[in-house]
Amino acid sequence: GDSVTQMEGPVTLSEEAFLTINCTYTATGYPSLFWYVQYPGEGLQLLLKATKADDKGSNKGFEATYRKETTSFHLEKGSVQVSDSAVYFCALSKRGGSNYKLTFGKGTLLTVNP
Amino acid sequence: GAGVSQSPSNKVTEKGKDVELRCDPISGHTALYWYRQRLGQGLEFLIYFQGNSAPDKSGLPSDRFSAERTGESVSTLTIQRTQQEDSAVYLCASSALQGAQLYEQYFGPGTRLTVT
Repeated sequence: GDSVTQMEGPVTLSEEAFLTINCTYTATGYPSLFWYVQYPGEGLQLLLKATKADDKGSNKGFEATYRKETTSFHLEKGSVQVSDSAVYFCALSKRGGSNYKLTFGKGTLLTVNP
Repeated sequence: GAGVSQSPSNKVTEKGKDVELRCDPISGHTALYWYRQRLGQGLEFLIYFQGNSAPDKSGLPSDRFSAERTGESVSTLTIQRTQQEDSAVYLCASSALQGAQLYEQYFGPGTRLTVT
């Protein structure tokens, strides 16, 4: 079945450091890919998405590019802030009838220190 | 407008008891999903509703789990004879669905269930 593998955390960085969180997927067909973020004490929210190969999703300084050849969707940010501390989830979705259920990775905890 | 709400936010129950978890989706969202997040694991899909019907129940882990949705709105997830392995955060999400368009899933804050 479909699956998502993301780098295990926790990841601890200093403010203004470069961030990469690796994500690879296994799926038949052409899934859409997502990064969700969960800030402390808050619900899960969509950070960015890409729906086809070579698409780049971006939001709040974060970027990820849908690489079909390497089945990857790595999350990057050039300069992290303390406010980026959160759990990040990579996910995929494929249409099954009208069901767009999400398949998630296990999540990566990011802590950014001042 | 209001987001997805879930109640209760926390539930502690004794092994063997039944529990009901409630989800109020965003008004007008026809698609509703339940997911489960166990400690150290990613979110697992449980069930999908399109309107009031559930065309995909493939993620329900056993027949102790059931869910219903009424009025194309509120959904209730029921766990009978709870077991310790049912301890998890249960998340509900809703989305608008029109034709072949994929719309963002909006998540509620979750219900943390602890079975003692």
